[in-house]
Amino acid sequence: DAGVTQSPTHLIKTRGQHVTLRCSPISGHKSVSWYQQVLGQGPQFIFQYYEKEERGRGNFPDRFSARQFPNYSSELNVNALLLGDSALYLCASSPVTGVWETQYFGPGTRLLVL
Amino acid sequence: QKEVEQNSGPLSVPEGAIASLNCTYSDRVSQSFFWYRQYSGKSPELIMSIYSNGDKEDGRFTAQLNKASQYVSLLIRDSQPSDSATYLCAVNRPANAGGTSYGKLTFGQGTILTVHP
Repeated sequence: DAGVTQSPTHLIKTRGQHVTLRCSPISGHKSVSWYQQVLGQGPQFIFQYYEKEERGRGNFPDRFSARQFPNYSSELNVNALLLGDSALYLCASSPVTGVWETQYFGPGTRLLVL
Repeated sequence: QKEVEQNSGPLSVPEGAIASLNCTYSDRVSQSFFWYRQYSGKSPELIMSIYSNGDKEDGRFTAQLNKASQYVSLLIRDSQPSDSATYLCAVNRPANAGGTSYGKLTFGQGTILTVHP
């Protein structure tokens, strides 16, 4: 079975631009979470979606938004990019949402903002 | 105080030795605990999950959980150079937003492990 897939793998943008990152969960998984990982730190929670509804949001500005589609794939959008948005963006999926669920990560999208 | 803290690295052990990785968490309502391995330039890969107090063994890996002390550890026996990576401790706890609940996964900063031949 295919794991979590993300696209693109790498992206270079300039300050002020907009970016859209995409994620397809493991087949049968209905929950998708997004994380930002800057160099030398652990992943930081951005959003969680379950059954196409936002379930949780981390401490990120409103420039960050996301959505989940009927096929459970998801998009993360970031507006007005800043240099500090340069990071590895990770998508993780789980069958459902909850404290007992294991999240499986995709390969990530590496974003560089110049 | 950080929600999840890991022992500061980097940690260097000789091949064949036991590597011990430690993690403490601050929120007592945390329910499930995970260890992920992350190779340089790659995404986190699940090694172990543990939900109840005690030890859980899987091959060369043993996870230990002590909820009273809010402490999780990972032991790697017979360490191999291929175990060299960053090890991330993650804690899943209930969170609420707008009247709905979800599981929020919080990570430590990671411990870099190097196993030298």
